[in-house]
This record gives sequence, C-alpha cells and structure tokens, in this order.
Amino acid sequence: DAGVIQSPRHEVTEMGQEVTLRCKPISGHDYLFWYRQTMMRGLELLIYFNNNVPIDDSGMPEDRFSAKMPNASFSTLKIQPSEPRDSAVYFCASSFWTGGVKNTGELFFGEGSRLTVL
Amino acid sequence: DQQVKQNSPSLSVQEGRISILNCDYTNSMFDYFLWYKKYPAEGPTFLISISSIKDKNEDGRFTVFLNKSAKHLSLHIVPSQPGDSAVYFCAASEEAGTALIFGKGTTLSVSS
Repeated sequence: DAGVIQSPRHEVTEMGQEVTLRCKPISGHDYLFWYRQTMMRGLELLIYFNNNVPIDDSGMPEDRFSAKMPNASFSTLKIQPSEPRDSAVYFCASSFWTGGVKNTGELFFGEGSRLTVL
Repeated sequence: DQQVKQNSPSLSVQEGRISILNCDYTNSMFDYFLWYKKYPAEGPTFLISISSIKDKNEDGRFTVFLNKSAKHLSLHIVPSQPGDSAVYFCAASEEAGTALIFGKGTTLSVSS
C-alpha cells in the first residue's frame, strides 16, 4: 500500500517567490494534517482537514500561508510570497477515525518537503 | 505555550542498556499519547501509543508508562540497540485520529 506521498521532496527558491507543496493522503483516510519542522519550534501543526473541510488553521503563521483540499486525495500548502524564515521541512500526515478501543490515534506521515528560501 | 514538553534534547546510552525518554504535558484534556521515531530525511514513524485509561503499554522492547496525576509519560527501550539511534517525539491528542501536539524531540544515541 502506498503511504502518504509528498512533492516536491526538496525545493529551493528565492525570497518573494510562490511555493506550492503537494500531498496525497492514504486512500480511505478522512483526516489530513500539515506540520512544519524547524530546529527552534520542533514539529508544529499548521492546519488540519476532516473530510476535506478545514477544521483548525490556528497554526498557520500568517496570511502568506494557505492550504486547500479540493478532494479526498489531494491537498496543497501554498506560501506566497515566501521568506527565508519559511525555510523548514513541511510534513503532510493522514489518519482515519475507526472508533473503539483499537484506535491508536496514529497519524501516518509522508517523507516531507524540505523548503529552502534564499 | 508548549503543551507537550521533552526537556532532554539528547540522551546517550550504551548498547544493551535501558533508554528512558521522558515527556511532560500540561493539557488535562489529552486522551491519547504516542511516541514517534524519526530518522534523518524521513518522516516520523509511529512507535507505540497509550490511552488515558491505561498506565502502561508494552510492545516488544518498547514500553510506555503514563502517570496522569503527574501529567508525565515515559518511553523505555530495553535492551537498546544501535538502530534505535534516532529522534524520538512525544505527542498527544484530545481525540484519537485528530491533531497531534508534539514535543520538540529527544535525540537518542546508542553506542555499541
């Protein structure tokens, strides 16, 4: 089974440019999350969706960041314009709610997109 | 305001010994606690979890202990192996399958 697929794996861009990161969640999962990892802040939640609807975007740093989930199999995180402080590894994760005692609460992560803004 | 704290940025252990990684949390609404392991250039991978109705969960060499009154959990790895060298993240959520709040991670180094 394919896991969470993210693209691109690496992106180097110049300040002011638009950056679009893409994510394909695991088929059948109804939750999708975007996280950002930096040395200073660790893994921080940016936004998450349930059934394609944004539930909590309070972690999105500012209006330069936007995320969409047009369908159950695709999501984008866009930064426009990008700044050097946006340099980080961005992770997408997905999960499903089964209910019951066997639910571990696990999120399944992609391999991440490393963004460098010069 | 960090809801999940891992106060030790790093831990060094000899092969065969026990590794104990600690995590504290502040939100009493957290119901699920998870440990993730992360290798460089890879995404975090799930290791073990525990719900708030339990105080211990074991899976092979890995055991997680939860002390709700102290808002503290720990991960024990016995025996430690060089392949366990990675960054370990503690995470918590109020509801299974929903957003996880992560600690900043502890880098474990296991020497042979």
